[in-house]
Amino acid sequence: DGGITQSPKYLFRKEGQNVTLSCEQNLNHDAMYWYRQDPGQGLRLIYYSQIVNDFQKGDIAEGYSVSREKKESFPLTVTSAQKNPTAFYLCASSIQSGTDQYFGPGTRLTVT
Amino acid sequence: GQSLEQPSEVTAVEGAIVQINCTYQTSGFYGLSWYQQHDGGAPTFLSYNALDGLEETGRFSSFLSRSDSYGYLLLQELQMKDSASYFCAVRGYQKVTFGTGTKLQVIP
Repeated sequence: DGGITQSPKYLFRKEGQNVTLSCEQNLNHDAMYWYRQDPGQGLRLIYYSQIVNDFQKGDIAEGYSVSREKKESFPLTVTSAQKNPTAFYLCASSIQSGTDQYFGPGTRLTVT
Repeated sequence: GQSLEQPSEVTAVEGAIVQINCTYQTSGFYGLSWYQQHDGGAPTFLSYNALDGLEETGRFSSFLSRSDSYGYLLLQELQMKDSASYFCAVRGYQKVTFGTGTKLQVIP
């Protein structure tokens, strides 16, 4: 079965700790994305990657970092510099940049 | 940059028809997509319009007018399971920009 997986589904951290969210896809898609969604809000783009070893900042990249060492994987690190990290994080992929996206199930991060 | 506007909430009766509008301002436009998201779930792709006109997929249809920077999603024969948030999204050069979503509540 092809798809996108994110783990874990729920994550709890203490303020001041970095945390890494996993995203893996076996759809052979070139492009991958990370979004943040706050309650009642739309999706805001954090980072995106068009191809392996390349990524660009989205609209709200401050306090986040990513890597794209493999085509299948695009992990997101939420650093302690992110002022308000509690949110629902969604990873997506597409055949190429700008085309329609397939989403993972999301990770709900709570920082206290 | 891109900006999209859509109503925040819509309520409609089961079995009826509802239209969710979306207007956009964009510096680069390839097409307009629609996504559905149930509470707590991930968005799923519904439709895409690159050209003016109506695209129909079962009970759902999507319309685009590039000259008016306007599109809509039309849901017919509403079912309770259609209660969800619906996002329009502009497909640009390298990325997709999402609207803030319309929460549709279907009532009996």
